[in-house]
Amino acid sequence: LAKTTQPISMDSYEGQEVNITCSHNNIATNDYITWYQQFPSQGPRFIIQGYKTKVTNEVASLFIPADRKSSTLSLPRVSLSDTAVYYCLVGDAQAGTALIFGKGTTLSVSS
Amino acid sequence: DGGITQSPKYLFRKEGQNVTLSCEQNLNHDAMYWYRQDPGQGLRLIYYSQIVNDFQKGDIAEGYSVSREKKESFPLTVTSAQKNPTAFYLCASSPRGFYTEAFFGQGTRLTVV
Repeated sequence: LAKTTQPISMDSYEGQEVNITCSHNNIATNDYITWYQQFPSQGPRFIIQGYKTKVTNEVASLFIPADRKSSTLSLPRVSLSDTAVYYCLVGDAQAGTALIFGKGTTLSVSS
Repeated sequence: DGGITQSPKYLFRKEGQNVTLSCEQNLNHDAMYWYRQDPGQGLRLIYYSQIVNDFQKGDIAEGYSVSREKKESFPLTVTSAQKNPTAFYLCASSPRGFYTEAFFGQGTRLTVV
């Protein structure tokens, strides 16, 4: 499984765009890039997943360069409720191997 | 409502006792997982199961046991052999072919005194 590296923490203010970058230099051909969000005392929640280029949903955008060695989760106009831990995972969606979570990035949004 | 249910939410046990955490899903997912989370830490994999009657150890399986007799259920037993059982336990499931899109339960906070 490809190892991921992401910042331990980030700070932002309400209304700003937040970009969290994840490095995954050893990503394999069949690997997808997946992001989860976790609030305190809750289970993680799937946010977005992509293979290459750009993916956008109602919550976030995911940017993946051509070499796929990194990815950026973009949260537009964050609010206080976006304060959470964000995890970047890399894995083969069809292989059935378990998801491996690192420590994630703790995002703190202030007013 | 479809989802994954963990019970109880809070659990207290005396040291030396075995305790079983429940995890049930009605999403018809093939794969199920158990994770442990300690304060300020990420999730660590205990066990996972891709199909009924089969499961694999994760990174920290020592002191834990599981069973997968039904597709819907994946109970975790924390045995007295687990040295530091106090933690937040999370169960998850994912569908075949979409293993990276996991659904998590709300967790069980186990405190051993």
